[in-house]
Amino acid sequence: LAKTTQPISMDSYEGQEVNITCSHNNIATNDYITWYQQFPSQGPRFIIQGYKTKVTNEVASLFIPADRKSSTLSLPRVSLSDTAVYYCLVRRSNDYKLSFGAGTTVTVRA
Amino acid sequence: SAVISQKPSRDICQRGTSLTIQCQVDSQVTMMFWYRQQPGQSLTLIATANQGSEATYESGFVIDKFPISRPNLTFSTLTVSNMSPEDSSIYLCSVEDHAAGGSYNEQFFGPGTRLTVL
Repeated sequence: LAKTTQPISMDSYEGQEVNITCSHNNIATNDYITWYQQFPSQGPRFIIQGYKTKVTNEVASLFIPADRKSSTLSLPRVSLSDTAVYYCLVRRSNDYKLSFGAGTTVTVRA
Repeated sequence: SAVISQKPSRDICQRGTSLTIQCQVDSQVTMMFWYRQQPGQSLTLIATANQGSEATYESGFVIDKFPISRPNLTFSTLTVSNMSPEDSSIYLCSVEDHAAGGSYNEQFFGPGTRLTVL
């Protein structure tokens, strides 16, 4: 599976947009990009998944350029409750295993 | 989407003893997974547990240390055997299930079991 690289931490303030970029240079044709969120003392929670271009749901947007070697998770108008660790994963379409990297710790301040 | 519960939520154990962690799902699922998350670290997959077959362990994890049972499609246990302080971690189970309103699958995680070994 393609190795992912993302910033270790990011700070933001309430109401701002947070963009987390993840690089996955060795992504394969049948790989998907998936993002999970983990709050302290909880298990990870699925946020969004995409293959190419842009995907949006009620929580976030995921931007994937044409070469798919990177992706950007966008969290609009964050609040204090968005403080969490965000994991970028590359997932093969026929493989159920998840390989978690270090993740990005996002801290939202008032 | 699946809802997962784990028991116990936390425990403090003496070295050399064993602890069995239970994972219960509110729906029938084929694939269940066990992860370990050491303090301040990311998640590491221990094994995949499918009903009706032996669990498949990842590199660095062995059945003698982490025996797993999967008696039916809604339940699994992970035992941490002959514990040492290095086994102090959060242990999480997850299942593969259909995403709510989506055309793909996602993994749903339990709340975890926080284990401290003295």
